[in-house]
Amino acid sequence: RKEVEQDPGPFNVPEGATVAFNCTYSNSASQSFFWYRQDCRKEPKLLMSVYSSGNEDGRFTAQLNRASQYISLLIRDSKLSDSATYLCVVTGMDSNYQLIWGAGTKLIIKP
Amino acid sequence: DGGITQSPKYLFRKEGQNVTLSCEQNLNHDAMYWYRQDPGQGLRLIYYSQIVNDFQKGDIAEGYSVSREKKESFPLTVTSAQKNPTAFYLCASGMGHQETQYFGPGTRLLVL
Repeated sequence: RKEVEQDPGPFNVPEGATVAFNCTYSNSASQSFFWYRQDCRKEPKLLMSVYSSGNEDGRFTAQLNRASQYISLLIRDSKLSDSATYLCVVTGMDSNYQLIWGAGTKLIIKP
Repeated sequence: DGGITQSPKYLFRKEGQNVTLSCEQNLNHDAMYWYRQDPGQGLRLIYYSQIVNDFQKGDIAEGYSVSREKKESFPLTVTSAQKNPTAFYLCASGMGHQETQYFGPGTRLLVL
């Protein structure tokens, strides 16, 4: 089992819709969780950190479910500019607590 | 402007050649990282450094080497021992383990 797993998509969603995707992780001791956004042929950029209590930033909401070991990202009122690949990042299993990156979920917002 | 710069944007390597990718940051971050990204895969850690003059191997260090002589700089050398070097190379910096990482624009390495 991979340490971090994401549905690769693509998710094809009409503009204005709500879309959600999950990321599962295998290290029950993970302490840090992030969502990054990566545009085609560009570097990843931090979208938001994920806290135990969940957090919201405008149209974006992130949740952590420790019992089931997954994090989620919800995007409301999706915009064409939300089209990107969303990367899930979690603390890994090694003793140095390096971050482990998921392969990403591709999101395409259609007009 | 604070940030991370990488150069060159594109790099072509001939068989048997060593090439060096540059990474510079002025964010005053202690930790720096090199990742490799291949299509359809997550970022894989090549090397990381938590402090000047110290660095550690990541998951795929074979065929690569690094140095950390200055806090601001963390160059990566792709040696001839790396048999499949074609990839997108990303440099990142941060305040330390488990903390947010910030990325440079990346270097695409292609083999001639």
